[in-house]
Amino acid sequence: GEEVAQTPKHLVRGEGQKAKLYCAPIKGHSYVFWYQQVLKNEFKFLISFQNENVFDETGMPKERFSAKCLPNSPCSLEIQATKLEDSAVYFCASSEGVAGAYEQYFGPGTRLTVT
Amino acid sequence: AQSVTQPDIHITVSEGASLELRCNYSYGATPYLFWYVQSPGQGLQLLLKYFSGDTLVQGIKGFEAEFKRSQSSFNLRKPSVHWSDAAEYFCAVGAHYGNKLVFGAGTILRVKS
Repeated sequence: GEEVAQTPKHLVRGEGQKAKLYCAPIKGHSYVFWYQQVLKNEFKFLISFQNENVFDETGMPKERFSAKCLPNSPCSLEIQATKLEDSAVYFCASSEGVAGAYEQYFGPGTRLTVT
Repeated sequence: AQSVTQPDIHITVSEGASLELRCNYSYGATPYLFWYVQSPGQGLQLLLKYFSGDTLVQGIKGFEAEFKRSQSSFNLRKPSVHWSDAAEYFCAVGAHYGNKLVFGAGTILRVKS
C-alpha cells in the first residue's frame, strides 16, 4: 500500500498482560522503524529493521520488548508483562533506504493504555 | 550523540500573523534535518527537510525553514498563519547512516482568531 498501516488503533491491557502491535510498511520500503511517544511529546526510537533483519536495536528495552519483521507478514512489536510506564503511542515508520536522506513515512500510531 | 532542542513548549499567534518556531540541534557533521507536524490524534506529517545545498528550504502548506550552521539552528517559519495550522510541531535530526531520527520535545502552536 501507499501508507503505513498500524493496527490496532487503540489497545488496553491490564498490567502484566501481553500487548502486540502490528505495522504494515509501504510496499517497496525495505526499512521499518518503531518509535514510542510517551505523554504526547517526546519520541523515543526503539528499533529498526532492514527487511526481516534487525538493523538497529539500541533503543529497545532489554526486557519485555521484542519485535519481528517476517516475510509476507506485518511487522510486530510485542510487550510481555506490560507495565504502567509502557502506556504510550507507538509509531511505525518505513523508508526506502537507510541513509539519512531517505524520508520516513509514519503510520497513524497505536495507543497503548496499560491499566 | 545527536540531540534536538525546541525551546518553546507553547506558542500562540493570531491568525494572519507570522510564525517562527525555533529548533537547535547538536550533531557532529552536517545533519539531515526535518520538521514534522502532528495534529491531535494523528501521525506525523513531514513538512520539509534539509539535506544539503540551499539553506532555505520550502515545504508544504506554505512553510519554510532556514539551516544556519553557525547557530546550529533550523527554524521553521510561515509568513501568515491559518487556524488550521494549530498543531504540534516536531524538529528532528537524522543520522547519515542508520536513519534513526532524534526528535525535539515539540512545540504546540495555538492560533487565535
